[in-house]
Amino acid sequence: EDQVTQSPEALRLQEGESSSLNCSYTVSGLRGLFWYRQDPGKGPEFLFTLYSAGEEKEKERLKATLTKKESFLHITAPKPEDSATYLCAVQATTGNTPLVFGKGTRLSVIA
Amino acid sequence: GAVVSQHPSWVICKSGTSVKIECRSLDFQATTMFWYRQFPKQSLMLMATSNEGSKATYEQGVEKDKFLINHASLTLSTLTVTSAHPEDSSFYICSARVGQRPFGAFFGQGTRLTVV
Repeated sequence: EDQVTQSPEALRLQEGESSSLNCSYTVSGLRGLFWYRQDPGKGPEFLFTLYSAGEEKEKERLKATLTKKESFLHITAPKPEDSATYLCAVQATTGNTPLVFGKGTRLSVIA
Repeated sequence: GAVVSQHPSWVICKSGTSVKIECRSLDFQATTMFWYRQFPKQSLMLMATSNEGSKATYEQGVEKDKFLINHASLTLSTLTVTSAHPEDSSFYICSARVGQRPFGAFFGQGTRLTVV
């Protein structure tokens, strides 16, 4: 069974304090790993897709990396507006499968 | 990125009534749409997969007669919560898949359903 585990469950950072969020996964053949940002009462906002181990993608203060077992979302010098829940999801290679989501990491950045 | 529009963003209804939620892909054709349910501080739980022109595939434990899904066109899928009860109160989110690569699934804004 495909599984995604995110840690920590919640993270509180001071503005400017860099950190990383972890996403560990087990999947029967990885088609893609996705990172989303979700604000309260909103749908998830697409951030990145990673396809193979060693791949990295960046967007502003965010950088996502991928290994064969996990992905990290690095946040450099975060700002209060980066506060949100960050969701990780995987899609298996078999057929038209839906995404399997982790429970997310709730990030709070304090000014 | 691709735009998925979900309507309404919130709705309050009385127990026993039915509520329809629409999910539209605005600038692309979505052969597959997904419907999720999310409880507070929980992740997204897949309810069903909707393919254009065919019956939806429901996840285990989801009542297909209660949560009616129609995907009549390549840009519209609807979820109807029939005979709603307070325990159906939740945040419902749709997503649509765009092509083969980047396999990205884009999400609607979500619908907050409150059954009173």
